[in-house]
Amino acid sequence: QVKLLQSGAALVKPGASVKMSCKASGYTFTDYWVSWVKQSHGKSLEWIGEIYPNSGATNFNEKFKGKATLTVDKSTSTAYMELSRLTSEDSAIYYCTRRGDNNYYFDYWGQGVMVTVSS
Amino acid sequence: DIQMTQSPASLSASLGETVTIECRASEDIYNGLAWYQQKPGKSPQLLIYNANSLHTGVPSRFSGSGSGTQYSLKINSLQSEDVASYFCQQYYDYPYTFGAGTKLELK
Repeated sequence: QVKLLQSGAALVKPGASVKMSCKASGYTFTDYWVSWVKQSHGKSLEWIGEIYPNSGATNFNEKFKGKATLTVDKSTSTAYMELSRLTSEDSAIYYCTRRGDNNYYFDYWGQGVMVTVSS
Repeated sequence: DIQMTQSPASLSASLGETVTIECRASEDIYNGLAWYQQKPGKSPQLLIYNANSLHTGVPSRFSGSGSGTQYSLKINSLQSEDVASYFCQQYYDYPYTFGAGTKLELK
């Protein structure tokens, strides 16, 4: 079955960076886009950006350009997101999700990574 | 960006009741709309896509409808396991955007 297994929670200092992973299984990794979604505590969802593992093509929410970097490792079916220059506003849960090449909704989600930015 | 206005923000209903959640887009999204359910401490799960198509494994008491800028999610015969937050999402245009969510509780 389709699974997206994300890395564990992170506690990071302001100004630092954090890199999280999303390991896919149960489907052909290169056939689906991987998106990343932010959920601040008790609030709604924000789409950060997406990457197509087959080509490395990316699309970003303008709000997160310069903040998020998306990469993949096709050999391990793993997607990565690095967030830089962290502030308290970046404290949130981050989900990876999957969508089909011709479908734009998110049919499977990872369990989420809680990132806490604190000195 | 396309703004998604979801209502109500919270909802209290009894078991067996029918509930409806609305989502209004700031422009026509041509049925490019999904609904997700998020239970406390869990990740969102897809319920409905393309405004009215039921995702695999989702109970038939969930249904979606609408067109243009107005969409709705209906839950027939509310069950205890339906207690959750519900979010709409448009994917007609980048950036994908979500509604603020509706928190559904049992009365």
